Amino acid sequence: GAVVSQHPSRVICKSGTSVKIECRSLDFQATTMFWYRQFPKQSLMLMATSNEGSKATYEQGVEKDKFLINHASLTLSTLTVTSAHPEDSSFYICSAVSGAPNYGYTFGSGTRLTVV
Amino acid sequence: AQSVAQPEDQVNVAEGNPLTVKCTYSVSGNPYLFWYVQYPNRGLQFLLKYITGDNLVKGSYGFEAEFNKSQTSFHLKKPSALVSDSALYFCAVRDSYSGNTPLVFGKGTRLSVIA
Repeated sequence: GAVVSQHPSRVICKSGTSVKIECRSLDFQATTMFWYRQFPKQSLMLMATSNEGSKATYEQGVEKDKFLINHASLTLSTLTVTSAHPEDSSFYICSAVSGAPNYGYTFGSGTRLTVV
Repeated sequence: AQSVAQPEDQVNVAEGNPLTVKCTYSVSGNPYLFWYVQYPNRGLQFLLKYITGDNLVKGSYGFEAEFNKSQTSFHLKKPSALVSDSALYFCAVRDSYSGNTPLVFGKGTRLSVIA
């Protein structure tokens, strides 16, 4: 079945630095990927929709200059958290979708970001 | 607008007993419905989905769900729960008209299976 690889699984960084998270579709092409953020014991909050070759679409309240998304190929989307602060600490999950007719939404294993 | 409601934060069930995790939805068109399971510090694992066809959908690990259009529900069920089923379960929906749009998730239900 479809596999999405997300790296790193866990990262600790200092305040003010930037962190890049990669999301790769291993055995299918994903023109669209989604980035979610999950707070402890809460549901997934959609941050942005990433489309290959075009600018990402951000949800209301998500700072596009802070959370940079690049979808340069049909198998790779990256999320860069710039000038990270402790409040950015969270669990980030990507999802890639194969469209009609199967509408398969495959999720990465997530990245636990801790900003100290 | 699309939405999903999972009315129970927590469901407790004894091992070997049947389990049900409830989900109701609201969409403007025909619904595409999904169930996912999440283990601690992991991504979401796909269990099953309803796109069209038979209202009873069978999925991974012995789970099944029944699409009920009149009640706008898609409850997840398993005839005999295992301790290893203890996890966080998410119901999700999208409508049929929106192309490659993201899923809308419920808040999640934590299932605890007690030996």
